Amino acid sequence: AQKITQTQPGMFVQEKEAVTLDCTYDTSDPSYGLFWYKQPSSGEMIFLIYQGSYDQQNATEGRYSLNFQKARKSANLVISASQLGDSAMYFCAMSREYGNKLVFGAGTILRVKS
Amino acid sequence: DGGITQSPKYLFRKEGQNVTLSCEQNLNHDAMYWYRQDPGQGLRLIYYSQIVNDFQKGDIAEGYSVSREKKESFPLTVTSAQKNPTAFYLCASSVDRGPQETQYFGPGTRLLVL
Repeated sequence: AQKITQTQPGMFVQEKEAVTLDCTYDTSDPSYGLFWYKQPSSGEMIFLIYQGSYDQQNATEGRYSLNFQKARKSANLVISASQLGDSAMYFCAMSREYGNKLVFGAGTILRVKS
Repeated sequence: DGGITQSPKYLFRKEGQNVTLSCEQNLNHDAMYWYRQDPGQGLRLIYYSQIVNDFQKGDIAEGYSVSREKKESFPLTVTSAQKNPTAFYLCASSVDRGPQETQYFGPGTRLLVL
């Protein structure tokens, strides 16, 4: 069965510094996708970044980058130059080879301090 | 603007009552999904639909029903058989199924039992 583990219930980071949110996964599917979503207090899930299991390079989207280590089954999110608006819950998720189902981790609450 | 809308934002259910949550998208996406989020937890898949007039059970379908009569609409009914319906419900859509397809989410509906 697929599983996503986010071991950091909460994180603090100083404004303008970088922060890494951890995510490890378990799957036997040869093809899968890894996603990170941001959930502010309003509740909406905002897509941040995607990494395919066969992608050779780490994905980047603006201030977000995904540190993908396939052998270790980890897909950590790196946020550079943190901003106060980055304070939110962050979820790591994984899709299956045949799609349709996203499996989510329990999430990490990030608080950016000024 | 293209996007996903959910209504109502808040919904109150009395004991033994069926309630229906609305989800509409104008992104021309084929696939639509319903997730449930309990406090402090990640999302769990209730139902998904790949095309009109077809839908599949997710991990926690008991006590819920759906329909997909139009491509744009995927309403979720919480029936009286769902004994613990209090949660945050999120609707999502994607262009197609497949591990690389990003799911985009609506703003959510909070369901509370009176």
